[in-house]
Amino acid sequence: EVQLVESGGGLVQPGGSLRLSCAASGLALSTFWMCWVRQVPGKGLEWVANINRDGSETYYVDSARGRFTISKDNAKNSLYLQMNSLRADDTAVYFCVRGHKGLEIWGQGTTVTVSS
Amino acid sequence: EIVMTQSPGTLSVSRGEGVTLSCRASQTIGNNLAWYQQKPGQAPRLLIYDAATRLTVVPARFSGSGSGTEFTLTINSLQSEDFAVYYCQQYNDWPRTFGQGTKVEFK
Repeated sequence: EVQLVESGGGLVQPGGSLRLSCAASGLALSTFWMCWVRQVPGKGLEWVANINRDGSETYYVDSARGRFTISKDNAKNSLYLQMNSLRADDTAVYFCVRGHKGLEIWGQGTTVTVSS
Repeated sequence: EIVMTQSPGTLSVSRGEGVTLSCRASQTIGNNLAWYQQKPGQAPRLLIYDAATRLTVVPARFSGSGSGTEFTLTINSLQSEDFAVYYCQQYNDWPRTFGQGTKVEFK
C-alpha cells in the first residue's frame, strides 16, 4: 500500500523553527516529484513547495521563499520541510503530497501552530 | 501568479441531481488543471487531471472539461458520498495555485 506519513508538527513561538518529515512507503521518492501543501483549518488549500525527483530543483510560494527549505533523502525515502522564522500565518495543517501535475497521493497531514 | 476563481462558493443540491462547478484562470493554462474532492477531516483526493482525464478509481459520473481559462467539473446524479468541497488547481506555472473551493452541500 502506498502511504505518506507526516510528522514533526507542533506548537512553536513566532520566529521559531520546525522541521516536518514525511516518510514514504510503497513508493520510491526518487522516482517522483513531491510537494508540501498547507491548509488553514476551515479554509482552502495553498501549495507551499515542490521538489523534483533527484532534489536538484525546488520551487516555493513567495511567502515561503527564503524561510522554508524543501528537501528529500531518497536513501531514507523521506521528504522534509525545514521552516524557519515562523509566523502566525504559517499556522496550518501541512500535507506531504506526491505529484508534479495532478497531486495524486496525500498524507493525512501534520498540524503546525505558531503562537506565543 | 495565476489566480484561480471557482464559482459558485456553495451549491445546495439534492441526491440524484446533477451539478456543474466552474473554475476560471486569470490567464491561459492550456489543459494543465486538476480537480480535487475534500471531505471533512480528510486529505484532498485527486479526481481529474489534464482538465478531463479521470483517475480510473473515480466514478464515471465525474467529468471535467475546458481549456485555456474556463473549466468545469460536472457530477451527474449526485450520490451521498459526493457531498464535499471541490478545488481546482493549475499546474501550468509556478507557483501552483488552487481555487478557493466550491462546497456541494445537501439541500
